[in-house]
Amino acid sequence: DADVTQTPRNRITKTGKRIMLECSQTKGHDRMYWYRQDPGLGLRLIYYSFDVKDINKGEISDGYSVSRQAQAKFSLSLESAIPNQTALYFCATSGRLNTQYFGPGTRLTVL
Amino acid sequence: GQNIDQPTEMTATEGAIVQINCTYQTSGFNGLFWYQQHAGEAPTFLSYNVLDGLEEKGRFSSFLSRSKGYSYLLLKELQMKDSASYLCAVHSGNTPLVFGKGTRLSVIA
Repeated sequence: DADVTQTPRNRITKTGKRIMLECSQTKGHDRMYWYRQDPGLGLRLIYYSFDVKDINKGEISDGYSVSRQAQAKFSLSLESAIPNQTALYFCATSGRLNTQYFGPGTRLTVL
Repeated sequence: GQNIDQPTEMTATEGAIVQINCTYQTSGFNGLFWYQQHAGEAPTFLSYNVLDGLEEKGRFSSFLSRSKGYSYLLLKELQMKDSASYLCAVHSGNTPLVFGKGTRLSVIA
């Protein structure tokens, strides 16, 4: 079984819709992250959480929100999706050694 | 802030050796990571350097010079399956990793 899972794996939605992407991990890590990846722009950090009570904005948090429901769960929401949020989204986790382990990704298309 | 530079694209021949460079500028440096990412897939961890020198792991080696803000990933005996993007990432202070934009490597016959 995968250590870091993401649902859904693919999603097509319309402008203005609210979308939630979910991430679960069985690695027992405290730290979790959400990234988006666009061609030519690399991985950009949206939000991160170092433990259940900790939420921090990353490089590109505008238009996104997160919830850390438990140590193992970290969800990303797009309150009102827009086309330039079309991207590949990755969740990642890390322990104290800071090596990050990535989920399989969610491909989101906003029409 | 942090700045990480790596070449955008490289091409190499099957069976050859290729070196992918990464330069960085940061304060409070803790370590440098290399990840491999095949198209449409998740990045996967390759190596971690915290001290100066060469770390060898099979066909892949990674080098770090902290004084020069420089690292490279060396891939030997290239195989077609090594065609992928290679991401350099720097860890500083108590902040998340900062990733470079990646180097897309194409291995040709």
